[in-house]
Amino acid sequence: NAGVTQTPKFQVLKTGQSMTLQCAQDMNHEYMSWYRQDPGMGLRLIHYSVGAGITDQGEVPNGYNVSRSTTEDFPLRLLSAAPSQTSVYFCASSSNRGHTEAFFGQGTRLTVV
Amino acid sequence: SQQGEEDPQALSIQEGENATMNCSYKTSINNLQWYRQNSGRGLVHLILIRSNEREKHSGRLRVTLDTSKKSSSLLITASRAADTASYFCAAYSGNTPLVFGKGTRLSVIA
Repeated sequence: NAGVTQTPKFQVLKTGQSMTLQCAQDMNHEYMSWYRQDPGMGLRLIHYSVGAGITDQGEVPNGYNVSRSTTEDFPLRLLSAAPSQTSVYFCASSSNRGHTEAFFGQGTRLTVV
Repeated sequence: SQQGEEDPQALSIQEGENATMNCSYKTSINNLQWYRQNSGRGLVHLILIRSNEREKHSGRLRVTLDTSKKSSSLLITASRAADTASYFCAAYSGNTPLVFGKGTRLSVIA
């Protein structure tokens, strides 16, 4: 099993550019989420989804957009990249929200210059 | 917020010693989970303890939960260099997403 796959692993963007971080899971999990990790800040929740067609905002949603058209995929879109969005982004999935363990991807390291 | 807060922020021990990390949270929970993150990698689930459990073991890991004090501890016995990582707790209330603390950085010196 691949688990949770994130692409790309590394990305450099110029301020104002847009891009999509991809996340796919092959475990048929209903619940998926995106976090960003910054030094000294731990993981902060950006957006999450409890199933196809349903998304909601987390703690730090501004500047990001998500959609969930299939169970497997949960892409994160940066609408107009800013240096403050330089971070490591993690996608996670679980079968039943926080009732069961979450599986994480290996992360996307994004630098906005 | 259900955010777990780990303590200490950093811990350095010798190989073979035990490592203890603590986590505090703010309101009632459904379960509390511990994760490990090796440098540059994603988080890996270690153990989940439910609110009606007081202690749980998994290999060299021992987790305790005290709901009256809203706290949990993770004990790693006989630490190895390979245990060097950051450890995160996450408290789950049942109606909010899983929220993580800032983590404890553990260094095990060979």
